[in-house]
Amino acid sequence: ETGVTQSPTHLIKTRGQQVTLRCSSQSGHNTVSWYQQALGQGPQFIFQYYREEENGRGNFPPRFSGLQFPNYSSELNVNALELDDSALYLCASSYLGTGIYEQYFGPGTRLTVT
Amino acid sequence: DAKTTQPNSMESNEEEPVHLPCNHSTISGTDYIHWYRQLPSQGPEYVIHGLTSNVNNRMASLAIAEDRKSSTLILHRATLRDAAVYYCILRLYGGSQGNLIFGKGTKLSVKP
Repeated sequence: ETGVTQSPTHLIKTRGQQVTLRCSSQSGHNTVSWYQQALGQGPQFIFQYYREEENGRGNFPPRFSGLQFPNYSSELNVNALELDDSALYLCASSYLGTGIYEQYFGPGTRLTVT
Repeated sequence: DAKTTQPNSMESNEEEPVHLPCNHSTISGTDYIHWYRQLPSQGPEYVIHGLTSNVNNRMASLAIAEDRKSSTLILHRATLRDAAVYYCILRLYGGSQGNLIFGKGTKLSVKP
């Protein structure tokens, strides 16, 4: 069983640029969630995608956007990068159905904005 | 989701049991108690969850107070690999299950 993978591992961008981060969900999962983790903090929920539609969003501005593809892979796009966007970006996949389920996290992409 | 309170850090010796506490005094009847942990340089990983009864799995045990206002994650024999940040999270059954609300968690150090 293949786990959640993310690319790239590290990325350095300049303020004002745009960035795309990628995530490949675990096999059989139909939902992907994205989180931002600043240094020394717990992860903060950005949004979730289920069946290619946004299915919940945290307190992040519209310049954070996403896509989910039919094969359940996903992208996180951030426009007009700001210095405060420097963080670890985590994606997590899960199966949205009945009952309680766990989320499986990838190793994250470390984004540095200079 | 209701808020949880955890100590910032704890220390343990290798091979000894570890009890990680979590307070959630505003928990509602439909909130499940989840624990995730984050090893250094990795994403969080699921540890265990429960509603009312104590739970055991291969990783840990979860002891839930009778009034559900607190819970304790128990690692029966700490290893160096258990050094991580442990997060206690409440999740509403049937709610927006994509939304895990993380606090700062408890940073567990394990001494050899």
